[in-house]
Amino acid sequence: DAGVTQSPTHLIKTRGQQVTLRCSPKSGHDTVSWYQQALGQGPQFIFQYYEEEERQRGNFPDRFSGHQFPNYSSELNVNALLLGDSALYLCASSRVGQGVYEQYFGPGTRLTVT
Amino acid sequence: GDSVTQMEGPVTLSEEACLTINCTYTATGYPSLFWYVQYPGEGLQLLLKATKADDKGSNKGFEATYRKETTSFHLEKGSVQVSDSAVYFCALSGGSNYKLTFGKGTLLTVNP
Repeated sequence: DAGVTQSPTHLIKTRGQQVTLRCSPKSGHDTVSWYQQALGQGPQFIFQYYEEEERQRGNFPDRFSGHQFPNYSSELNVNALLLGDSALYLCASSRVGQGVYEQYFGPGTRLTVT
Repeated sequence: GDSVTQMEGPVTLSEEACLTINCTYTATGYPSLFWYVQYPGEGLQLLLKATKADDKGSNKGFEATYRKETTSFHLEKGSVQVSDSAVYFCALSGGSNYKLTFGKGTLLTVNP
């Protein structure tokens, strides 16, 4: 049973550029959430996608956008990159209707903005 | 809004010592509570969970009890191993909020 997968593993971008990160959910899961984890901090919720729509959004600017595809995979896009966007980006998947709302995390994409 | 406060680290213990990592929360309604663990260079793994007051979550020798009266969910283990060295995050998921709210994490180092 494949878990949550993310690509790429590492990425280096220049300030002002745009980046796309990808996530495939765990088999049987239909919901994808994205989190940003700055160094030495806990993950911060960016947004969640279900049925190809953004269901909830955290306190992140519009430069952060996403998409969910019919196969439940998801992309996170960040425009006009800032140095402060350097972080580990985590994708988590879950399944609506589970008795306990659990999210399973991927290994993350380490983004460095120079 | 929802928030989680964790004991500041780092915590350094000798093998076979007892572990307690304190976690308290603020939330509306009746949240579900979680402990996640992050090993170096990896993503987060769910360690244990509890969904209602007085529930005890347990896994791999770790335990935590959902205490509504003190709004706490402290992580405990009776005898830690070197392989338990990692960062531990307390988190909650509350009511109609789908997101997880995390504490800042506690780095645990266990020496042989």
